Amino acid sequence: NAGVTQTPKFQVLKTGQSMTLQCAQDMNHEYMSWYRQDPGMGLRLIHYSVGAGITDQGEVPNGYNVSRSTTEDFPLRLLSAAPSQTSVYFCASSLTGTFATEQYFGPGTRLTVT
Amino acid sequence: AQTVTQSQPEMSVQEAETVTLSCTYDTSESNYYLFWYKQPPSRQMILVIRQEAYKQQNATENRFSVNFQKAAKSFSLKISDSQLGDTAMYFCAFKEGGSEKLVFGKGTKLTVNP
Repeated sequence: NAGVTQTPKFQVLKTGQSMTLQCAQDMNHEYMSWYRQDPGMGLRLIHYSVGAGITDQGEVPNGYNVSRSTTEDFPLRLLSAAPSQTSVYFCASSLTGTFATEQYFGPGTRLTVT
Repeated sequence: AQTVTQSQPEMSVQEAETVTLSCTYDTSESNYYLFWYKQPPSRQMILVIRQEAYKQQNATENRFSVNFQKAAKSFSLKISDSQLGDTAMYFCAFKEGGSEKLVFGKGTKLTVNP
């Protein structure tokens, strides 16, 4: 199993450009999510999905879109990049259920918006 | 909304000694789960230990153990026999029962000195 994969690992954008961060998992996990990590802020939830066709907003959704057409993939779209979106982005996945299920994280994407 | 507080932004410990990282949380829920994640310089998020709120016994994983004080809403991590490889950011995280959304603290940067 590859686990959770993210591409690209690094990206530099100019203000106003759009791009998609890719995330895929091969563990047949129902739950997938996107976090952003900023210095001194921990990880904050952007969007999440509990299954194909179902998405919802997290704590900091503004400026981001997601879709979930398959169980495996959960791309994150930046519609018009802003310097405030400079961050490290993590995708995570897990099984769902009323247990202390572990979330598996991808390696992260470092995004710089100039 | 649940909140997670890590009051120690940075800590250091000598190799082979014991260190305790603090975490407090705020919730009105009775069914929840708590986690400690480690993020070494590689940026990969790694689950260290987890605790179910309904279990009175503190979780242990080799050199890692927790002190779970439910009434005080406290969930500290104890690392025994610290090793250089324990140098990392450590994040405390909360998950409500029936949800997969994780709420993270801001993290504690731990340095293990030789």
